[in-house]
Order: sequence, then C-alpha cells, then structure tokens
Amino acid sequence: QVQLQESGPGLVKPSGTLSLTCAVSGGSISSSNWWSWVRQPPGKGLEWIGEIYHSGSTNYNPSLKSRVTISVDKSKNQFSLKLSSVTAADTAVYYCARKRAVAGSRSNYYMDVWGKGTTVTVSS
Amino acid sequence: DIQMTQSPSSLSASVGDRVTITCRASQSISSYLNWYQQKPGKAPKLLIYAASSLQSGVPSRFSGSGSGTDFTLTISSLQPEDFATYYCQQSYSTLGTFGQGTKLEIK
Repeated sequence: QVQLQESGPGLVKPSGTLSLTCAVSGGSISSSNWWSWVRQPPGKGLEWIGEIYHSGSTNYNPSLKSRVTISVDKSKNQFSLKLSSVTAADTAVYYCARKRAVAGSRSNYYMDVWGKGTTVTVSS
Repeated sequence: DIQMTQSPSSLSASVGDRVTITCRASQSISSYLNWYQQKPGKAPKLLIYAASSLQSGVPSRFSGSGSGTDFTLTISSLQPEDFATYYCQQSYSTLGTFGQGTKLEIK
C-alpha cells in the first residue's frame, strides 16, 4: 500500500524558505492522483496549501500562492514544497497527502493516504 | 472561497452514545464532502468521502449523509477510540477548505 514520508528542516529562520520533501513508497507518483500539502498550526485546524499532478500541473491556495512552489521528481518518486518569506505564522505541522478521485468522477476527490507529518518552526 | 462551518465546536459524550456532527457549506457543494478523524499527534484519517461513502476499513458505526449545503457525520455507538477531533472538507472547489473541527470528548 502507498505510504508517504515527509522530510526537511524542523527549524527555519524568519524571511527564509521552508523546504520539504514527501517520499512516495509502495506506488508510483505517476499514478492518476494529485499529491497535496496540508498544514496545521499548533492547536488549530487544517489548511490546504496546494497540490501537483505528475505532469507538473499545480494548484495553490490563493492565500499562499505568491510564496508557494510545489514540484515533482518522478525519478525519485517524490514531490516537494517550498514556501518563501516565512514568518512565525507559518509554524505548523506539514502533511503530505494523496488526493484521489471518487470512482467514476473526474471532479470529486478525497485525501486517503497521509504522511505522519513534520513539524516546522519559524524562529531566529 | 467556500466556507465550511461545523457544529458544535466541541461535544462531550459517553461510550455507547449516538453522536451527530453537522457541517454546513456557504454554497451548494453537491455531495463533494469528506470527513476526517484526527487524534492528537496523528495525521488525519479519512472516514467518509462523497458525503456518504464509507472508506475501506472504517467501522460501520460511522455514517455520513447530506447534499447541497448541509451534511452530517453520525457515530451510532461511541467507542473509546472514537474520542478525537473531526473535520469536514469540501472538494467542490480546488481550494478544498476544511471546517474548523469538532472535538469529541469523553463525558
């Protein structure tokens, strides 16, 4: 079964760039799924950041779009998140997730596989 | 953006109770609604997709209903392992917004 594992620095300085990678195992990143990033600030709810398809097509949360880049590396079966100009408000647990379509639908999706999450703190 | 509002924000219940959590969308989202369960320190877990379809491996005491703007998640008989936070999420728009969460606590 597909498993996801996030990795990256746990501490990022203010105004710096947060960089995380999600390794996909047990399946191919080139399958017909979108690959997403979701974050959760301490004690708060879930926020969708963005997603990528293996073709390189991306969608981003408009509130973060100017600072977010999601990329895919098919040779390594992984995808990555970069968030620039970070502030303390970007401190959160960051999750990667697989987003797949409901059978028979081309527009109804759900996130069925999640990584364990990685904590990123923005602090000097 | 589509706003998702859950009620209540928190709920106290006992083992064996029947519990219902409500999620309301700011516009019609057809059946494009998912439910997740999250326990402290863990990733969210998909329970229900497309408003009423039970994810494989999820106990049948969980059920979902609704369409349009109003949705419910029902747990027919609470078990100790069900005490967690529950989130709804719409998938009607690319920006898949989540509800603010409902924390289910032991009474």
